[in-house]
Amino acid sequence: NAGVTQTPKFQVLKTGQSMTLQCAQDMNHEYMSWYRQDPGMGLRLIHYSVGAGITDQGEVPNGYNVSRSTTEDFPLRLLSAAPSQTSVYFCASSPLGTGHSYEQYFGPGTRLTVT
Amino acid sequence: GNSVTQMEGPVTLSEEAFLTINCTYTATGYPSLFWYVQYPGEGLQLLLKATKADDKGSNKGFEATYRKETTSFHLEKGSVQVSDSAVYFCALTNQAGTALIFGKGTTLSVSS
Repeated sequence: NAGVTQTPKFQVLKTGQSMTLQCAQDMNHEYMSWYRQDPGMGLRLIHYSVGAGITDQGEVPNGYNVSRSTTEDFPLRLLSAAPSQTSVYFCASSPLGTGHSYEQYFGPGTRLTVT
Repeated sequence: GNSVTQMEGPVTLSEEAFLTINCTYTATGYPSLFWYVQYPGEGLQLLLKATKADDKGSNKGFEATYRKETTSFHLEKGSVQVSDSAVYFCALTNQAGTALIFGKGTTLSVSS
């Protein structure tokens, strides 16, 4: 199993450009999520999905869109990049469990710089 | 809502020293608690977890006990190695059980 894969690893954008960060998992996990990691802030949840066709907002959703057309893929779209979106982005997945015991598997991250 | 606070770093230790990284939480109900580790240039990996009060999670010599009375989940290791140098994140499930809430991370640096 490849686990959770993310592309690209690095990206530089100009303000106002759009792009899609790709995320895929081969573990048949129902739950997928996107976080951003900023220095001194820990990880903050952007969007998540509990299955194909179902998405919801996290703590910091503004400026980002997601869709979930298949179990495997969960792309994150930046429609008009801003310097405040410079960050490291992590995708994660987990099986939907009972008893609130989600264990998330993380991808290697995408480092995005917006100039 | 649920929240977590962990000690600020960096923590600098010599090899074979004892490690404690403090983590306390505020929560409604009974969340699951986790410690994740991030090695340089990599994504986060689950280190250990506990799903109910008095549970002890353990892995790779690290331990943490779910203490409901003190709302704590401190990470400990008896003898650290240089290879343990990383950033450690405490986390808990949110009230709805739909996401993880992470602390800000504690950087550990171990020298030989």
